[in-house]
Amino acid sequence: QKEVEQDPGPLSVPEGAIVSLNCTYSNSAFQYFMWYRQYSRKGPELLMYTYSSGNKEDGRFTAQVDKSSKYISLFIRDSQPSDSATYLCAMDAGGTSYGKLTFGQGTILTVHP
Amino acid sequence: GAVVSQHPSRVICKSGTSVKIECRSLDFQATTMFWYRQFPKQSLMLMATSNEGSKATYEQGVEKDKFLINHASLTLSTLTVTSAHPEDSSFYICSAPVHGRGNTIYFGEGSWLTVV
Repeated sequence: QKEVEQDPGPLSVPEGAIVSLNCTYSNSAFQYFMWYRQYSRKGPELLMYTYSSGNKEDGRFTAQVDKSSKYISLFIRDSQPSDSATYLCAMDAGGTSYGKLTFGQGTILTVHP
Repeated sequence: GAVVSQHPSRVICKSGTSVKIECRSLDFQATTMFWYRQFPKQSLMLMATSNEGSKATYEQGVEKDKFLINHASLTLSTLTVTSAHPEDSSFYICSAPVHGRGNTIYFGEGSWLTVV
């Protein structure tokens, strides 16, 4: 079993739709949870960063963390064609290994006009 | 703008030669940097942890003699792929944690290596 599981999709939605992306994990030591967006042949771009359980909102993006269920989500409201990319969840146990990320497989998202 | 810069963005080399990739933190000091590899349509896999002033720590299965890492200053880490082979062709990405900015982790733009 992988430490972080993410549905690779692909996911195709119409413009304006609400997109839900999810990851589950097995390592209870993870403390920091991130979502990155990656366009083809580019480095990952940090979208959301959360610590421990709870919700965090930034513009059209909302990140949720439920540590009791070992489940994290990213919601994208009013999706745009420019949101088409691969979305990666990533997790960090912090402490002496801070910065050492474990990634999900990535979900390929296409938003069509 | 980018806080972590990587160079070159693309490189093609002949089989058997060595290639060096640089990763720089632009406006902060990074005592630790990380190197990842990403094959097409796959996720990022951690290769090694680069530690300023000491030896790198390699993940299981990564050949330390093939992937040489040097972190000679607080703003620069280099990854050298030695005696490259076509199977080393991949996307190599570095990252650095930034403390004091919400404890975020930034990635470089990545380097595409093609070994022919």
